[in-house]
Amino acid sequence: DGGITQSPKYLFRKEGQNVTLSCEQNLNHDAMYWYRQDPGQGLRLIYYSQIVNDFQKGDIAEGYSVSREKKESFPLTVTSAQKNPTAFYLCASRWAVNTGELFFGEGSRLTVL
Amino acid sequence: KNQVEQSPQSLIILEGKNCTLQCNYTVSPFSNLRWYKQDTGRGPVSLTIMTFSENTKSNGRYTATLDADTKQSSLHITASQLSDSASYICVVSANQAGTALIFGKGTTLSVSS
Repeated sequence: DGGITQSPKYLFRKEGQNVTLSCEQNLNHDAMYWYRQDPGQGLRLIYYSQIVNDFQKGDIAEGYSVSREKKESFPLTVTSAQKNPTAFYLCASRWAVNTGELFFGEGSRLTVL
Repeated sequence: KNQVEQSPQSLIILEGKNCTLQCNYTVSPFSNLRWYKQDTGRGPVSLTIMTFSENTKSNGRYTATLDADTKQSSLHITASQLSDSASYICVVSANQAGTALIFGKGTTLSVSS
């Protein structure tokens, strides 16, 4: 089955620790995205990538980092610099940045203890 | 400023009843409008996508309408089922360079028996 796989589903982190959320897609999509979702708010863009080895900051990139070494993979690192990291994180992909349907993964819930 | 406003914020209906969710946007230049369904703790799943020239599109019991003149869209759910309980998100795509997806905050629908 084609789709987007996020892992882990749930993650707990102590303050001061970096954590990496995995996102893998087998849809052959060029564009990939990371969004953050908080209760009562719309999805907010963290980072996006149009192609391998390229990525751009979104609206709330501070405290986050990404890499795009392979077409299929777009991991997100939540660093200790992110002041309020507890949230639901969604990865998405589409054919190109402004083309095609946007497909989402099942999300990763990060809780800082 | 590009914005997407959804109403109501939440809604409770009895199983079998119909309901209509609203989406107003101030996005320019407009490209298309999508409705997504998001079950609790899951990723959003696309219901419909509408371009400027389309004013009605159906997907089973879901019917979306678009009035590009007034910049309003609605999602009508017919004969609601318990499984319709979810958050419904309106997403408007702007026709511009870079990623240009503007998300509404969603309407939370609860269907009770």
